[in-house]
Amino acid sequence: GENVEQHPSTLSVQEGDSAVIKCTYSDSASNYFPWYKQELGKRPQLIIDIRSNVGEKKDQRIAVTLNKTAKHFSLHITETQPEDSAVYFCAHQSGTYKYIFGTGTRLKVLA
Amino acid sequence: DTGVSQDPRHKITKRGQNVTFRCDPISEHNRLYWYRQTLGQGPEFLTYFQNEAQLEKSRLLSDRFSAERPKGSFSTLEIQRTEQGDSAMYLCASSLLLPPQQRRSYEQYFGPGTRLTVT
Repeated sequence: GENVEQHPSTLSVQEGDSAVIKCTYSDSASNYFPWYKQELGKRPQLIIDIRSNVGEKKDQRIAVTLNKTAKHFSLHITETQPEDSAVYFCAHQSGTYKYIFGTGTRLKVLA
Repeated sequence: DTGVSQDPRHKITKRGQNVTFRCDPISEHNRLYWYRQTLGQGPEFLTYFQNEAQLEKSRLLSDRFSAERPKGSFSTLEIQRTEQGDSAMYLCASSLLLPPQQRRSYEQYFGPGTRLTVT
């Protein structure tokens, strides 16, 4: 199948704490895994991505890890700030080059 | 603005009417995607084009939906005989697929969306 499961659906953390969001996919041909941040009423914005030949990628406070054997990947946000509050979507590019999105995680960073 | 643009941004229509949305991708992007997003859900794939060729269409997509990209640049999405269940945000995205011998780029950029309300 092409679906991707995303957990948790909601996540509340204290400012300064870390947040982790996990996704699981099933398409063995998937080779690209982006993460998007969507603020209320706005378009999804690409925040980080990883390709299947890499296990981890970091960009300042954001990191993504990929376990291709287990078919799961995770988003890690450290030192969370109130402006990190948004809905985060994982996605993967299937073997047919279309993108399949997760159901989203609503992250709330409490000041 | 050199990003993806969509028109109109909002559309209110009565059930049974036809609507057409337009997407202008980033100019050098050869791939264009259409998605539908309802409240609290992730973008749901509808269809995508590489240049002017429509390469895949969601199996869940009703035959009331049709999309075109006649010259490989802008695209239109038409919904015929709209139903209340069609109410959603329709998002367009574009990306650049380079030849295999060049460094692959997969980044996909979204437009602001067209919010459709069917009354």
